[in-house]
Amino acid sequence: EIVLTQSPDTLSLSPGERGTLSCRASQGVSSTYLAWYQQKPGQAPRLLTYAASRRATGIPDRFSGSGSGTDFTLTISRLETEDFAVYYCQQYANSPPTFGQGTKVEIK
Amino acid sequence: EVQLLESGGGLVQPGGSLRLSCAASGFTFSSYAMSWVRQGPGKGLEWVSAISIGGGRTYYADSVKGRFTISRDDSKNTLYLQMISLRADDTAVYYCATTLGGAVAGTGYFDFWGQGSLVTVSS
Repeated sequence: EIVLTQSPDTLSLSPGERGTLSCRASQGVSSTYLAWYQQKPGQAPRLLTYAASRRATGIPDRFSGSGSGTDFTLTISRLETEDFAVYYCQQYANSPPTFGQGTKVEIK
Repeated sequence: EVQLLESGGGLVQPGGSLRLSCAASGFTFSSYAMSWVRQGPGKGLEWVSAISIGGGRTYYADSVKGRFTISRDDSKNTLYLQMISLRADDTAVYYCATTLGGAVAGTGYFDFWGQGSLVTVSS
């Protein structure tokens, strides 16, 4: 099973700042098979990016995914108030599909 | 508009059974692989099970293998999860989700999600 470790656990930022979230895999993952999700309290997760860098339908271009091998990044170029949430990475290269433990982006 | 609506959750005693349903609308249900993903209270996301297009292949997390059964009825646009021998650590919100793009069978990313159904296993 591929273990995904996200860092940091919590990221404290102000609106307008840039957010950089990291996801490290325990073994190499083809960039084709890495996704990011956003989850707000009391809501289901929402797909942000898949295939490492492809944005899902309706996702603003301030969200961008990148990376390859074992290191992946989700960047939020300028945080808006609605972006404060928990973010999860997920690999779907191997079975079972696995998620990172999440990074909480909170208002500073 | 894509909609996934879970139902069937509730309070059940350890060792009990429950069946979750997920009613789909707004897309061609029969053309999608589907999955169940759960989230324990205050915890992260855990993939539980997946079913192929047509329902001929099913996949399970080790933690539920032999206790949970995923199925689908394309004539009713509905996904199911039959759960038996429930344990306290099965307590979670269970989400159904469309599943796309896996490298191998049984995997994929989760494009659309339902709102979730809470299962509480407690005496």
